Amino acid sequence: EIVLTQSPATLSLSPGERATLSCRASQSVSTYLAWYQQKPGQAPRLLIYDGSNRATGVPASFSGSGSGTDFTLTISSLEPEDFAVYYCQHRSGFGQGTRLEIK
Amino acid sequence: EVQLVQSGGGLVQPGRSLRLSCVASGFTFDDYAFHWVRQAPGKGLEWVAHINWNSGSIGYADSVKGRFTISRDNAKNSLYLQMNSLRAEDTALYYCTKDQRRRTTLVDFDCWGQGTLVTVSS
Repeated sequence: EIVLTQSPATLSLSPGERATLSCRASQSVSTYLAWYQQKPGQAPRLLIYDGSNRATGVPASFSGSGSGTDFTLTISSLEPEDFAVYYCQHRSGFGQGTRLEIK
Repeated sequence: EVQLVQSGGGLVQPGRSLRLSCVASGFTFDDYAFHWVRQAPGKGLEWVAHINWNSGSIGYADSVKGRFTISRDNAKNSLYLQMNSLRAEDTALYYCTKDQRRRTTLVDFDCWGQGTLVTVSS
């Protein structure tokens, strides 16, 4: 079973800043990694699939990169609505999440 | 509009059973695999079960294997989760979700239901 480890657990930034979230797999997953955003009281939303492809309707400020075991989700300039919890996923496994909070 | 609408859930005593339902609309239901994913209060996401497009491939998390059964009725555009022998640790918000791509399983999930709360308590 592949374990996904996200870091940091919490990231405190201000609107307009750049956010960099990490997801590390315990063994190679090629580029089969997805990222989700979850806001309080809402279902998760697919942001990125296959490591770097934006899902339908996702702003260009969101980008994904990586392959093998190391992946990054970058938000180039934070908007107020971007503060949420972010999860990475490979097959039946999810990372434990990174909470992006307003500083 | 692609939509998953969930029903079922509620408060149930330990050891009892509950059935969750998820009705799909806006796409060709029998082309896609479906999953149940749960989230305990204040916790992260946990995949529970999957079923592929024709029910030929089914899988469960170890935590629910032997107690939960996933099924689908393609004629009714519906997905189900039968939960037996419920435990306090099954308390969570349960989401149904679908694979993004046709005839694939466990790749990425592009549409989610609104979630339904299951509380197991005496």
